Amino acid sequence: EAQVTQNPRYLITVTGKKLTVTCSQNMNHEYMSWYRQDPGLGLRQIYYSMNVEVTDKGDVPEGYKVSRKEKRNFPLILESPSPNQTSLYFCASSSGFSGNTIYFGEGSWLTVV
Amino acid sequence: AQSVTQPDIHITVSEGASLELRCNYSYGATPYLFWYVQSPGQGLQLLLKYFSGDTLVQGIKGFEAEFKRSQSSFNLRKPSVHWSDAAEYFCAVGLTGNQFYFGTGTSLTVIP
Repeated sequence: EAQVTQNPRYLITVTGKKLTVTCSQNMNHEYMSWYRQDPGLGLRQIYYSMNVEVTDKGDVPEGYKVSRKEKRNFPLILESPSPNQTSLYFCASSSGFSGNTIYFGEGSWLTVV
Repeated sequence: AQSVTQPDIHITVSEGASLELRCNYSYGATPYLFWYVQSPGQGLQLLLKYFSGDTLVQGIKGFEAEFKRSQSSFNLRKPSVHWSDAAEYFCAVGLTGNQFYFGTGTSLTVIP
């Protein structure tokens, strides 16, 4: 079954404590990305990756890091989380063509206190 | 500025009534167009997409959307809404270079 799996699904953390949200896809997709979803703002892209070792900033990259060492994995790193990073995060993947379907993970609820 | 606009933040319809969700985009060329649905507590699922050709596209769950170039619109429709259609709906565009932009979403409530 085609899947994008992200963990953890729910996390409460404290300001400044580094955390990583993992993302893995089993569809051999070249393209992966991270979005955050906030009320009234829809989905905003944080970072995306066109392939292994190729990453680029999206619309709201500040405070986040990513890496793409393997094709299937695309972790999102919050080096020093702040309360304004409290949000619902989605990992997504597609086969690299702008017209192809994007597959989303189920989301990770992150609360920074 | 380039954008995807969903002017209706929230819509309430009665079960069995027809539905139309609006989406407008402002990009120079015709982008790839998508509608996604997000059920409570779930990720986003593709309803339908438009690349080219027939401007009326059919999707899953009885949804359809019509691309109107002159209006830069891609409105989603369903003839008869079911209670299970209550969800958040997102319009999205795909541009060259794997850029994707989402609208702010329309929340649909279905009343018995």
